[in-house]
Amino acid sequence: SQQGEEDPQALSIQEGENATMNCSYKTSINNLQWYRQNSGRGLVHLILIRSNEREKHSGRLRVTLDTSKKSSSLLITASRAADTASYFCALARGNAGNMLTFGGGTRLMVKP
Amino acid sequence: GAVVSQHPSWVICKSGTSVKIECRSLDFQATTMFWYRQFPKQSLMLMATSNEGSKATYEQGVEKDKFLINHASLTLSTLTVTSAHPEDSSFYICSGSFGNHNEQFFGPGTRLTVL
Repeated sequence: SQQGEEDPQALSIQEGENATMNCSYKTSINNLQWYRQNSGRGLVHLILIRSNEREKHSGRLRVTLDTSKKSSSLLITASRAADTASYFCALARGNAGNMLTFGGGTRLMVKP
Repeated sequence: GAVVSQHPSWVICKSGTSVKIECRSLDFQATTMFWYRQFPKQSLMLMATSNEGSKATYEQGVEKDKFLINHASLTLSTLTVTSAHPEDSSFYICSGSFGNHNEQFFGPGTRLTVL
């Protein structure tokens, strides 16, 4: 499958803890992006990491990319109840323009 | 950031009717727009990609005669679900991108319920 596969499918943690979500894929990519979706809403872009990058940070978010293992991880540090959402990785293939293929998503619940 | 709107945000219709969903880029010109469908607790599945002024490119398994896509301007794309049936009930999300920008900007989605 060209779709990214995410694990865990669901994650429940306490406020203040860190949350780690993983995305694995099978094809070559141009870049990998992470999106957040609140229930019943559209998607919000979080971070884009290019195939020649290994790590990127944005506030409490840290994304890593290992192209040899074809995997990426999203770490949310010091989680807050407001971080409760679904998180999706999306693969941008080099020969497909701006087209994205989404992973199955991780449903994160942060308990206050 | 770039803003995309969708209208309506939700719609309920009878089986057999057609429903049109609008996707607008409010502060940028979307050279490419994408339409996705999302079933409950599932991921987004790309339905089609449309470039302004061109026919949409549909993903495998998506009926182009059932899901009519028009991208007549750089700020508006429409998806018409023709002869809707209950199995078409879903959350439809559009997104837009421009130039070689890798990021897609997503609309808030439209929830379609077909009775």
